Amino acid sequence: GNSVTQMEGPVTLSEEAFLTINCTYTATGYPSLFWYVQYPGEGLQLLLKATKADDKGSNKGFEATYRKETTSFHLEKGSVQVSDSAVYFCALSGSSNDYKLSFGAGTTVTVRA
Amino acid sequence: GAGVSQSPSNKVTEKGKDVELRCDPISGHTALYWYRQRLGQGLEFLIYFQGNSAPDKSGLPSDRFSAERTGESVSTLTIQRTQQEDSAVYLCASRGPNSPLHFGNGTRLTVT
Repeated sequence: GNSVTQMEGPVTLSEEAFLTINCTYTATGYPSLFWYVQYPGEGLQLLLKATKADDKGSNKGFEATYRKETTSFHLEKGSVQVSDSAVYFCALSGSSNDYKLSFGAGTTVTVRA
Repeated sequence: GAGVSQSPSNKVTEKGKDVELRCDPISGHTALYWYRQRLGQGLEFLIYFQGNSAPDKSGLPSDRFSAERTGESVSTLTIQRTQQEDSAVYLCASRGPNSPLHFGNGTRLTVT
């Protein structure tokens, strides 16, 4: 079945540091890939997505590229801010059951001033 | 409302009791999901409602779990005879046509 494995946290870094959160997936067919973010006290919200190989999703300075050859969708940001402190979830929806998203365990990121 | 609303936000119950969790989706969203998140684990799909179609209950972990939705409005997730392993955050999400999932803040259930 479909599954997502993402880098374990927690991750703590300083403002303006470079952030990478690794995500790899297992799926049949051609899934769509997502990153969701949960800020403290808020619900999960979509951060970015990519629907086909080599697509790059981007939002709020974050980027992730759909790499079919390595089955990866790593999240990156070049210069983090304190306001980026949150829990980040990688997710996929399979091509045959595209309503049923499979999520990773989440990575807690704390950015210190 | 502006977003997906879940209640209660926290629930502590004794083992063996029944609990009912509520979700108010965004108005007009035809699709509604329930997920469960245990500590340190990813979101686990429980059930999916789409309009008046039969729900996808394939993620419900046991027959102690059930969920209902009236039309395209409120949904309730019921857990009967709660067990300690049911302790988790229960998340509801809704989605409209061509829109991403919108999640509620969840209900944190603790079974003592």
